[in-house]
Amino acid sequence: GAVVSQHPSWVICKSGTSVKIECRSLDFQATTMFWYRQFPKQSLMLMATSNEGSKATYEQGVEKDKFLINHASLTLSTLTVTSAHPEDSSFYICSVPSTGELFFGEGSRLTVL
Amino acid sequence: LAKTTQPISMDSYEGQEVNITCSHNNIATNDYITWYQQFPSQGPRFIIQGYKTKVTNEVASLFIPADRKSSTLSLPRVSLSDTAVYYCLVGDAYNQGGKLIFGQGTELSVKP
Repeated sequence: GAVVSQHPSWVICKSGTSVKIECRSLDFQATTMFWYRQFPKQSLMLMATSNEGSKATYEQGVEKDKFLINHASLTLSTLTVTSAHPEDSSFYICSVPSTGELFFGEGSRLTVL
Repeated sequence: LAKTTQPISMDSYEGQEVNITCSHNNIATNDYITWYQQFPSQGPRFIIQGYKTKVTNEVASLFIPADRKSSTLSLPRVSLSDTAVYYCLVGDAYNQGGKLIFGQGTELSVKP
């Protein structure tokens, strides 16, 4: 199956700064990638669909200006949390669809102080 | 996208068979049923996928009745390492580009 890598695995930042998380499909070209957010003891919540060469599609309630998504190539999507605040602290996970299955990255844990 | 309902938690002991049932009453004709496993601080991992009847692979079996309004994930002879959260997802991943919505999942705890 597809191999998906996220970087960084964890990041700590100060309130007000921006953080970029990368999601790479290592062995599969993906025109679509998905970004999820997961709070402790909760399920994954779909944030947005990243589309290669076009704008991302955001789920209802997700601020597109706060969570900037760029899908610059068929193997890379980035999620930038702008002006991060403590409430943005969460586990961010990307996924890549392939043949009806979703392959997930290892996740990136963001802690905003 | 079909909504799923699972038990929030289950307990089991090593060596036992565990069956986790998922309800998806409004499943659509083209929807597949997929189960994922997630360990703490890791991304979910694919376990099994099916459309109808029974599917078996090296780690689990998936039972789907004729009306497809529910499905049961069966884990034979669980071990401590099977302690995880298990998610049942329903959707037409092939034609919906992989967009799937996660339900609350079932937290399985396997005890010695």
